Amino acid sequence: KQEVTQIPAALSVPEGENLVLNCSFTDSAIYNLQWFRQDPGKGLTSLLLIQSSQREQTSGRLNASLDKSSGRSTLYIAASQPGDSATYLCAVGDGQFYFGTGTSLTVIP
Amino acid sequence: DTAVSQTPKYLVTQMGNDKSIKCEQNLGHDTMYWYKQDSKKFLKIMFSYNNKELIINETVPNRFSPKSPDKAHLNLHINSLELGDSAVYFCASSQFMGRGADTQYFGPGTRLTVL
Repeated sequence: KQEVTQIPAALSVPEGENLVLNCSFTDSAIYNLQWFRQDPGKGLTSLLLIQSSQREQTSGRLNASLDKSSGRSTLYIAASQPGDSATYLCAVGDGQFYFGTGTSLTVIP
Repeated sequence: DTAVSQTPKYLVTQMGNDKSIKCEQNLGHDTMYWYKQDSKKFLKIMFSYNNKELIINETVPNRFSPKSPDKAHLNLHINSLELGDSAVYFCASSQFMGRGADTQYFGPGTRLTVL
């Protein structure tokens, strides 16, 4: 059974810093991986989707990488802003979707 | 326009009752999902529907039953509610279900509280 872990569970950084969120999964036979953000009391918003054949995806200040063989993905956020404060979730797709427990990010103005 | 909508947003009910949560998507997607997010914020898939056919049914009690009247709707019926059913339930949709499923779009969630 696929297990998805996200480290750290919580992260607090000053505005303007670059940061990296980590996601690891136990079964490398995946088909894609998605990063989401969840704001308090809200649903999930998809940020980036990486297919298994891809190494990375970029959208604005966000860059997600995927290393299937090592079972890892990272989400890089450049020049963080207070509006980036949210919980970030990764989800691994291998026929169904398995979510990690998330990283709660706080960007301090 | 809201892409994926759920009603109600909040639901408070007594143990033993039967309740339903509705979900609608206007994205033209062919697959819809129900997820449960527990108090520790862990999100777990419950069901998915593709072309009115149940594709995934995790180890969910049979008190939970998804109903899809058409491709744009996937409702969740819950019978004999228990305290442990208290959680936030999310509906989602995507195109191209299966191993190469596309980006999922989530609804705002329904917070269910069972007293």
